[in-house]
Amino acid sequence: GENVEQHPSTLSVQEGDSAVIKCTYSDSASNYFPWYKQELGKGPQLIIDIRSNVGEKKDQRIAVTLNKTAKHFSLHITETQPEDSAVYFCAASKAYYGQNFVFGPGTRLSVLP
Amino acid sequence: EAQVTQNPRYLITVTGKKLTVTCSQNMNHEYMSWYRQDPGLGLRQIYYSMNVEVTDKGDVPEGYKVSRKEKRNFPLILESPSPNQTSLYFCASSLVWGTGPEGTDTQYFGPGTRLTVL
Repeated sequence: GENVEQHPSTLSVQEGDSAVIKCTYSDSASNYFPWYKQELGKGPQLIIDIRSNVGEKKDQRIAVTLNKTAKHFSLHITETQPEDSAVYFCAASKAYYGQNFVFGPGTRLSVLP
Repeated sequence: EAQVTQNPRYLITVTGKKLTVTCSQNMNHEYMSWYRQDPGLGLRQIYYSMNVEVTDKGDVPEGYKVSRKEKRNFPLILESPSPNQTSLYFCASSLVWGTGPEGTDTQYFGPGTRLTVL
C-alpha cells in the first residue's frame, strides 16, 4: 500500500523567514496531495492541495510543488508569522479508487518572534 | 454553520465495554471517514464511506466497525475496546469521493474524540 514520509519532524524558523516541508510517497497511482494544518486541540484543516496534473500551486504565502517522477511534494510557507506555528500533515490518495487517504507523520513548525 | 460534530469529545472506558462514537455532518457530503491520531504516527485511516451503505477499510480497521445508514451520520463502533485503541479519533467528510471540481474533495474534520481504554 501507499507509504508517505515527511521531513523534518520539527522545524523552527524566525518570523519572516521561509519554511519548507517535504513529503515523499510510494504509490505512483496517487493523484491527490493535500496539506493540513493542525492547531493545538483542533482537528486538521486543509490549507492547500494539488492534483497530479499540476506541478505547482500557490495561495498567498503558501505554495505546494509536486514532482511526479521523483514522487515527492513540498509545502513552502513564505514570510512566516507566529500564527503559522502548528503541526502540518501531508497526505496522498488515489481519488479515482475511492479515497483511502494516507498521511505523513507530521511536522511541528515553530515560528519564533 | 457547516460543520462536522463528534460525540463524546472525551471518553474513558474499560476493556471490553462496547462503545460508539458518533459523527454527524450537516453539509450533505457523500464521503465520510474515520481516523485515529497517535504521537509520531500522524493520522491513520480506519474506515471510509463513499455514500450510504458503501463503506471500505482504511489502513487500520482491526477492532472497529462502522455503518452508514444515513448520509449525515457515520458512527464508529468499538465492540470490545482494548488499551491499544487509546487514541485521538477524528471524523471527516467531503462533498465527493472522487476528483470532482476544485474544492469538492476537501475534507472537513471534526473536533476530535479523545478515548482512553483502561
